[in-house]
Amino acid sequence: EAGVTQFPSHSVIEKGQTVTLRCDPISGHDNLYWYRRVMGKEIKFLLHFVKESKQDESGMPNNRFLAERTGGTYSTLKVQPAELEDSGVYFCASSQDTLASSYEQYFGPGTRLTVT
Amino acid sequence: AQSVTQLGSHVSVSEGALVLLRCNYSSSVPPYLFWYVQYPNQGLQLLLKYTTGATLVKGINGFEAEFKKSETSFHLTKPSAHMSDAAEYFCAVKSFNKFYFGSGTKLNVKP
Repeated sequence: EAGVTQFPSHSVIEKGQTVTLRCDPISGHDNLYWYRRVMGKEIKFLLHFVKESKQDESGMPNNRFLAERTGGTYSTLKVQPAELEDSGVYFCASSQDTLASSYEQYFGPGTRLTVT
Repeated sequence: AQSVTQLGSHVSVSEGALVLLRCNYSSSVPPYLFWYVQYPNQGLQLLLKYTTGATLVKGINGFEAEFKKSETSFHLTKPSAHMSDAAEYFCAVKSFNKFYFGSGTKLNVKP
């Protein structure tokens, strides 16, 4: 079974440019999450999709970030325009039914974003 | 509010020595606690989790953790470190489908 995949693995862009990150969850997982780790600090929650609907986007830092999950399969996270403080590692995770809180989330390898 | 504190951003042990990675949490609800490991260029991999029941939880690769409610701790241990254990370890609390992570501990294993 394929795990969570993310593309690209690394991205280097200039301040003011646009970047789109992609996440493909494990097949059959309706729940998809985005997290971010900045400068070696803690990994922080950004948002949660259930199928194509945003269940919780309380962690999105500002309106320069736009997440989509059309069709309830893969998701994209667009940063436009990128700022220096957006640099970090963006993780995607997916999980099965969330009715049981004990379900783990399966994480992808992350996309390392560097804004110069 | 939920938060996780991992004491020590870097821990170094000799091969064969005890591994102890500390984690303390705060949670307004009964916690679901997790330890994840990240090897270089890989995603986060679940080591073990505590939900309910037995407070001593065994995970993969010989790791275990004990939930101590009175101390709000969930420390990760392994009796004998291997070189392959070198990685970054994350403690997390899960609440309402969100994970709250600590800042991570990098484990270095010396030959």
